[in-house]
Amino acid sequence: NAGVTQTPKFRVLKTGQSMTLLCAQDMNHEYMYWYRQDPGMGLRLIHYSVGEGTTAKGEVPDGYNVSRLKKQNFLLGLESAAPSQTSVYFCASSYSRGQGGVRNTEAFFGQGTRLTVV
Amino acid sequence: KNQVEQSPQSLIILEGKNCTLQCNYTVSPFSNLRWYKQDTGRGPVSLTIMTFSENTKSNGRYTATLDADTKQSSLHITASQLSDSASYICVVSDLTGGGNKLTFGTGTQLKVEL
Repeated sequence: NAGVTQTPKFRVLKTGQSMTLLCAQDMNHEYMYWYRQDPGMGLRLIHYSVGEGTTAKGEVPDGYNVSRLKKQNFLLGLESAAPSQTSVYFCASSYSRGQGGVRNTEAFFGQGTRLTVV
Repeated sequence: KNQVEQSPQSLIILEGKNCTLQCNYTVSPFSNLRWYKQDTGRGPVSLTIMTFSENTKSNGRYTATLDADTKQSSLHITASQLSDSASYICVVSDLTGGGNKLTFGTGTQLKVEL
């Protein structure tokens, strides 16, 4: 059982380049999330999805786009990378309350993608 | 604005000793509170999850408490081990978005030394 898998694990981009971060989960979770983690700050939500074909903005969505074409995959795109997007990115997934009740809305995280924009 | 504050920011203890980490929150409407452990270079891993009606929950040497009236939680680690060295993150979920909207604390960085 792989859980939540993120690719790539590391990436260096030049300012203005684009890239896509991939997240895959094999737990049949409805909800998927993208967070960024910066020093001295808690994880901040970029975008999330409550089901296949749906996405929504989180706390810090600017400069990012997402897509959820398949239930198991959630893609995070950077169209024109900026140094301010240097961060560690985490994908997570969870059941909705309807799937497992409030107790089972526990989020499972991937191992992170360390992105540096120079 | 929902907030989660943790203390201390960092802590160093000797192996075998106990310690307690604190979490205060101002998240409303409250759904549940989670403690996560994050090893360096890894994603957070869940330790406990508590709903409004639960006062305490244990997971091995980890015991979390919740006082929903004062909006405080603590994580107690018993007989610490070197492998406990990590960041411990308090996360509170509110009822918007189906109970899946999470507010993260900045974490307590724990180092266990010989």
